[in-house]
Amino acid sequence: GAVVSQHPSRVICKSGTSVKIECRSLDFQATTMFWYRQFPKKSLMLMATSNEGSKATYEQGVEKDKFLINHASLTLSTLTVTSAHPEDSSFYICSATDRFNSPLHFGNGTRLTVT
Amino acid sequence: AQSVAQPEDQVNVAEGNPLTVKCTYSVSGNPYLFWYVQYPNRGLQFLLKYITGDNLVKGSYGFEAEFNKSQTSFHLKKPSALVSDSALYFCAVRDGKAAGNKLTFGGGTRVLVKP
Repeated sequence: GAVVSQHPSRVICKSGTSVKIECRSLDFQATTMFWYRQFPKKSLMLMATSNEGSKATYEQGVEKDKFLINHASLTLSTLTVTSAHPEDSSFYICSATDRFNSPLHFGNGTRLTVT
Repeated sequence: AQSVAQPEDQVNVAEGNPLTVKCTYSVSGNPYLFWYVQYPNRGLQFLLKYITGDNLVKGSYGFEAEFNKSQTSFHLKKPSALVSDSALYFCAVRDGKAAGNKLTFGGGTRVLVKP
C-alpha cells in the first residue's frame, strides 16, 4: 500500500530556534499534501494544504510566516516551524494523496517539544 | 461547510462483543465519508470509505460501516471486538462537490476493548 514517511518522529528544540519536518511519499506521487496539528486527546486540526509547485493554502488562524510549507517535488513536502515557542509544542502529522477522491495516507507524525 | 460529530468520547466493550462507533455528518453536497484509526504516537491508518454505491461498506481488520443518508450517519461497526482494536477512531467527511481533497475530522472516539 501507499506509504508516507515523516521525519523526525520526535524533536526537542530550544525556544527561538527553527525546526524542519519532512514528509515523503515513498511509492506514489503526492499531488497534494496536508499538514495537521493534533493536541493531546484532541482531533486533527488542518493547518495547510500544499500542492506541488505552488504556494500552500493556509487555514484561518494559521500563521503562514511561522509555519513555512514547501512542496518542491511530487514526493516531498516540508513544514518549518520558525522561531519556535513552547506553545508550538504539539504532534504534527502530514498526509498525502495521489489523486482526487483517494483516501489520504498519513505519516506517523512528529512530536515537537519546545523548551 | 462540512462538519462531523462523534458523540462519544470513549466506548468500552468486552472482547468478543460487537463494537459500534457513532458518526454523524453535515455537508452541503454529496458526502464522501472515511474512517481512520490512530494508535498512540502514530499517524492515522485508513479503514474504509464511502463514496457511492452500496450503503454497507466493508473495510480493513473486519470493520464495516453503514451509510444512512436520512440520518446523516456513518457508524463504524465490528461484530466481534479484539483487545488489539483499542485505539482512537476518527470519522471524516469531504463535500463531493467541493474542490480539493480537504477532509474534516470528527473529534475522535477512544475505544477500549477489555479482555
